[in-house]
Amino acid sequence: ETGVTQSPTHLIKTRGQQVTLRCSSQSGHNTVSWYQQALGQGPQFIFQYYREEENGRGNFPPRFSGLQFPNYSSELNVNALELDDSALYLCASSSLTGLFYEQYFGPGTRLTVT
Amino acid sequence: AQSVTQPDIHITVSEGASLELRCNYSYGATPYLFWYVQSPGQGLQLLLKYFSGDTLVQGIKGFEAEFKRSQSSFNLRKPSVHWSDAAEYFCAVGNNDMRFGAGTRLTVKP
Repeated sequence: ETGVTQSPTHLIKTRGQQVTLRCSSQSGHNTVSWYQQALGQGPQFIFQYYREEENGRGNFPPRFSGLQFPNYSSELNVNALELDDSALYLCASSSLTGLFYEQYFGPGTRLTVT
Repeated sequence: AQSVTQPDIHITVSEGASLELRCNYSYGATPYLFWYVQSPGQGLQLLLKYFSGDTLVQGIKGFEAEFKRSQSSFNLRKPSVHWSDAAEYFCAVGNNDMRFGAGTRLTVKP
């Protein structure tokens, strides 16, 4: 069974640029969630995708957008990067079991904005 | 609005000593509660979860947590800490849109 993978591991961007982060879900999972974890903080929920549709969103501006593909992999896109976007971005895949989503996290992508 | 507070930013315990990490939550209904562990450079690993039933839940790596509705708490415990338990621990509430606490960093002294 393949776990959740994310790419790239690290990247450095300049303020104002755009970035795309990628996530491959664990086998059998149809839901993916994205979180932003700033240094010294807990993860913050960005949004979730279920069967290619956005299924919930946290308090993030529209320049944070996403996609989910038919194979349930996902992308997180961030436009007009700001210095505060520097963080670890975590992807989690899950399936609904009863009433409960058990989320499996990838190792994250470390984004640095200069 | 749902939220989580972890009052202790950093805890140091000696190897073999017992451990309790505190977590308080705010949630309008019966909460789904979780504890995750994060080692440096790693993603989050689920230690245990609670959503109904027995208020004392057992998790992996010898951890347990107790849900106390009257205190809005979900504290994590381990009777004997190992050096490999040194990591960052996060309490979370919610389901598909989890809210995490700020984390407690655990240091284990030899």
